[in-house]
Amino acid sequence: GQSLEQPSEVTAVEGAIVQINCTYQTSGFYGLSWYQQHDGGAPTFLSYNALDGLEETGRFSSFLSRSDSYGYLLLQELQMKDSASYFCAVRENNDMRFGAGTRLTVKP
Amino acid sequence: NAGVTQTPKFQVLKTGQSMTLQCAQDMNHNSMYWYRQDPGMGLRLIYYSASEGTTDKGEVPNGYNVSRLNKREFSLRLESAAPSQTSVYFCASSLAGQETQYFGPGTRLLVL
Repeated sequence: GQSLEQPSEVTAVEGAIVQINCTYQTSGFYGLSWYQQHDGGAPTFLSYNALDGLEETGRFSSFLSRSDSYGYLLLQELQMKDSASYFCAVRENNDMRFGAGTRLTVKP
Repeated sequence: NAGVTQTPKFQVLKTGQSMTLQCAQDMNHNSMYWYRQDPGMGLRLIYYSASEGTTDKGEVPNGYNVSRLNKREFSLRLESAAPSQTSVYFCASSLAGQETQYFGPGTRLLVL
C-alpha cells in the first residue's frame, strides 16, 4: 500500500524561507506532486517531480530523492497569502494518494 | 472556460436518503476523479475514470457509485447516505499522461 508522512503544522514569518518535508512508501512510484489549499477552497497544483533533483517555479521549489523516498517543498520570500495547507501526493497507476497536509501559518 | 464545476455547493441529507453529485469539465480532459476530504485529512480517492466509458475504484469506494456520462461529466451517487459520508467532496480532472489535476470548488455534504 501507500503512505505519506508530512508535518501537521509549520509556522514562519513573512519574508522567511520554509521547507515542508514529505516521506512516502509506495509499491509503485511515478512521481511526487504538491498541492496548495486555502481554507474553504479547492486544492491547486503547485509542482511535480518525477526525477531526482530540484524543480523551481518562482518562489516555490520542489525536490525529490527517489532513493530516500523523500521530497520537500521549499517556499521562499514568504507572503501572508502563502498561509494555507500543503499536500504531497503520489500516483500509482491512476490511484492518487495524498498526505494529511501541512498547515502553514505565515506571521507578520 | 469554467474549468471544473460541481453542483450542488451544499447539501443536507437525512440518513438513508440518496443523492447524486454532479461534476463537469470543459477542458477536454480524459481523466476525472472523485475525492472526499474530512477535517484535518488529505484527500482520499473514491473513484476515478481514466477515459469515457471506464471507471475504477479508488481507496474508499464503499457506499458510492459513479457514472461517466460522457467525456465532460462524471457523477457520484450515494444510494443510502450515512453520517460517515459527511464530508467535502471534490471532483478533479486531468489530461491523460499529465500529473496536474484541476479541482472543482467542492460540495459540502452533511448527513444527519
